[in-house]
Amino acid sequence: SQTIHQWPATLVQPVGSPLSLECTVEGTSNPNLYWYRQAAGRGLQLLFYSVGIGQISSEVPQNLSASRPQDRQFILSSKKLLLSDSGFYLCAWERAGTTVYEQYFGPGTRLTVT
Amino acid sequence: LAKITQPISMDSYEGQEVNITCSHNNIATNDYITWYQQFPSQGPRFIIQGYKTKVTNEVASLFIPADRKSSTLSLPRVSLSDTAVYYCLVASGSNYQLIWGAGTKLIIKP
Repeated sequence: SQTIHQWPATLVQPVGSPLSLECTVEGTSNPNLYWYRQAAGRGLQLLFYSVGIGQISSEVPQNLSASRPQDRQFILSSKKLLLSDSGFYLCAWERAGTTVYEQYFGPGTRLTVT
Repeated sequence: LAKITQPISMDSYEGQEVNITCSHNNIATNDYITWYQQFPSQGPRFIIQGYKTKVTNEVASLFIPADRKSSTLSLPRVSLSDTAVYYCLVASGSNYQLIWGAGTKLIIKP
């Protein structure tokens, strides 16, 4: 069976500090991978998606970046955090080549920028 | 790109059928409609997906009229555990264009 992991679960970081959130998927190959952000009480904002190693598409221009160094690893980074970066960050995967958009979400990372 | 509108919140009672409607007037020919359920501090969970007419699975039904400008998620005989936020997603079948609705907070009362 497939499993998706995210860490850390919670993070408190000062403004201007760097960020690295990691997501890994087990039990599947060549998944499509997604990073979302969810502000408190709000809907999902798609940040990045990837259809393969080294292939990253950005949906929202901002101070965040993503990388996919391995097939089942997706990393979200920032060089300098802003207060507005606070939120619930979710990683998701789906089977490649599907039009079903049945995404499987990880447990999320709650980031508070102070 | 489709613009999505769904009610902010809804209340119902245990044992009732609940229908949540999503409006997506500018839906494109290649777009699919998907619904997700989210509990607090968890990632969303896939419920159902459709393209047109009616789709049913073990937890819900999805009704899509011929013009596809709206869709209705139907939850039969809800229970307290169905209290959650429900998201409508319109996604292109060809180019990873994903538009999420703002979510409908459903509260089920005893």
